[in-house]
Amino acid sequence: EVQLLESGGGLVQPGGSLRLSCAASGFTFSIYVMSWVRQAPGKGLEWVSSVSGSGYTTYFADSVKGRFTISRDNSKNTLYLQMNSLRADDTAVYYCAKDYYSDTSGHPYYFDYWGQGTLVTVSS
Amino acid sequence: EIVMTQSPATLSVSPGERATLSCRASQSVTSNLVWYQQKPGQAPRLLIYGASTRATGIPARFSGSGSGTEFTLTINTMQSEDIAIYYCQQYNNWPPWTFGQGTKVEIK
Repeated sequence: EVQLLESGGGLVQPGGSLRLSCAASGFTFSIYVMSWVRQAPGKGLEWVSSVSGSGYTTYFADSVKGRFTISRDNSKNTLYLQMNSLRADDTAVYYCAKDYYSDTSGHPYYFDYWGQGTLVTVSS
Repeated sequence: EIVMTQSPATLSVSPGERATLSCRASQSVTSNLVWYQQKPGQAPRLLIYGASTRATGIPARFSGSGSGTEFTLTINTMQSEDIAIYYCQQYNNWPPWTFGQGTKVEIK
């Protein structure tokens, strides 16, 4: 059974940093593109970032480019999102999501499994 | 960036009736479109991929159609368990991978 378990969310002041983790199990983690998708309170879904199976190729939404870093440790089956220079509009539930296809192209397509999310609140 | 626009924002459907949800892309995404269902307090669940193929375990009352810029998700014989927000997402032109703003489906 595929499981994705996010952690690391919490309350942080504007300008602060936070690192999210996503522990994966139930599938061969290293061969799938993994992504972060967020949802602000009462709002829709927003793709944030993706990383290829090898970790060498990354993509970022313009809204987070230069502030967020995505990485993975395939030996630990864990995905990370390092968030710096946080702003109030980064407040959201952050979901870890697995791509439907095994990675042959380095980019995601769509997401067949999602974690339950971790809430990040940026406020003073 | 491709903008995805869903309509209506809210849809009220009687039990057993049909629900029709629309998703429009600002430019062609061919058939590279998926639908997700998100129930209150839960993560999204993949319903339809490739515009019309049901994902594993999705009931047959859910169907998708369309190509290019116009897409439809149909829920035949609406059930109470189908109360949710439904999102479309394109994966044709990227980055970014973009979602519609969602359609909330409620029971009348």
